[in-house]
Amino acid sequence: AQSVTQLDSHVSVSEGTPVLLRCNYSSSYSPSLFWYVQHPNKGLQLLLKYTSAATLVKGINGFEAEFKKSETSFHLTKPSAHMSDAAEYFCVVSDHAGGGNKLTFGTGTQLKVEL
Amino acid sequence: NAGVTQTPKFRVLKTGQSMTLLCAQDMNHEYMYWYRQDPGMGLRLIHYSVGEGTTAKGEVPDGYNVSRLKKQNFLLGLESAAPSQTSVYFCASSFETGANVLTFGAGSRLTVL
Repeated sequence: AQSVTQLDSHVSVSEGTPVLLRCNYSSSYSPSLFWYVQHPNKGLQLLLKYTSAATLVKGINGFEAEFKKSETSFHLTKPSAHMSDAAEYFCVVSDHAGGGNKLTFGTGTQLKVEL
Repeated sequence: NAGVTQTPKFRVLKTGQSMTLLCAQDMNHEYMYWYRQDPGMGLRLIHYSVGEGTTAKGEVPDGYNVSRLKKQNFLLGLESAAPSQTSVYFCASSFETGANVLTFGAGSRLTVL
């Protein structure tokens, strides 16, 4: 069975400071891991994905995430927050090669960016 | 460049009423999905389809039915709406299985009184 835990439901940062959104996962197999972002009243958009290639994954808008198998973590980071980064972020795990029906979503982290 | 389009965007129903949510994609994707999003619970899969004419149950299928008569459309029906079905519904689609990357619609907010 697979599961994903987003350790913070809300994160608040100042514009220009680093962002860290934490995600731990549990998987019986080699997982695929994703981060999606949801801006207010919008659908989810893929930020980045890990599928057993390089452990440091770069995504859109300056975000990146590092897969750490020993810590079962896939934390999302960005060196410098921008106001437009304010959104909800979802960590997602899949430990099958099948389709989207095998995805497990985290409960989300709301990122607030203050001036 | 529409992607995934959901209609309607908002709807208010009374308990016991029925309705259908329509999802349309123009990317020739084989796989389509319906999720519901509730506060503090992430997204939960209701039903999905792996191709035209096929449907399958997800994690929370009770109270919903679906149909995929055309490849580009995936309909979600509520035969007798209940307040517990108040939620935001998202449709998504994907081209292949291994990558599991989904393209989402903008959502349909349903309130059942």
